[in-house]
Amino acid sequence: EPEVTQTPSHQVTQMGQEVILRCVPISNHLYFYWYRQILGQKVEFLVSFYNNEISEKSEIFDDQFSVERPDGSNFTLKIRSTKLEDSAMYFCASSQTGGGLFFGEGSRLTVL
Amino acid sequence: KNEVEQSPQNLTAQEGEFITINCSYSVGISALHWLQQHPGGGIVSLFMLSSGKKKHGRLIATINIQEKHSSLHITASHPRDSAVYICAAQKTSYDKVIFGPGTSLSVIP
Repeated sequence: EPEVTQTPSHQVTQMGQEVILRCVPISNHLYFYWYRQILGQKVEFLVSFYNNEISEKSEIFDDQFSVERPDGSNFTLKIRSTKLEDSAMYFCASSQTGGGLFFGEGSRLTVL
Repeated sequence: KNEVEQSPQNLTAQEGEFITINCSYSVGISALHWLQQHPGGGIVSLFMLSSGKKKHGRLIATINIQEKHSSLHITASHPRDSAVYICAAQKTSYDKVIFGPGTSLSVIP
């Protein structure tokens, strides 16, 4: 069964460092999303991406965040200068029009 | 006000019990998702509903569009069903999903 894969599964970084989280969506999907979940809280939307551009972003997705689809298969989330409050589980998801939503296993980011 | 609400927040059941988790939403939607999340783990999609009822094994999901309400039922619950169950609303087929707070289910042998 096709699946969304995310790497790394866990990353520990120092405050102020840049982090790149990677996702490989399902190959024929057109819509891509990043969500995050701070420990003990509900999942929050960060950004959606379609046709090589951002289609929507939340208030959380400030200038420190960026997304890219560099090679037609990977979908990356970059955090330029990490803060303690960026510590969370980050989920990538992909979907087709009218189809189901598929999530990756998540990347746990710990900022020290 | 949260756009997606769930009840109960926490639920403990004995193995074999019939379980119901409720979800209400305030936005117009094209789809309602039920998701499962195990501790420290990823999110698995259980159902995507736009009307009526769907069944998969011991899981049943229903939705009432007019009342903006959905339920997830688990028949003959088992300890392996212990997880957080999340309801999420999607306004259009390509829109972001808006997550509910989740219901933490613990099934005791």
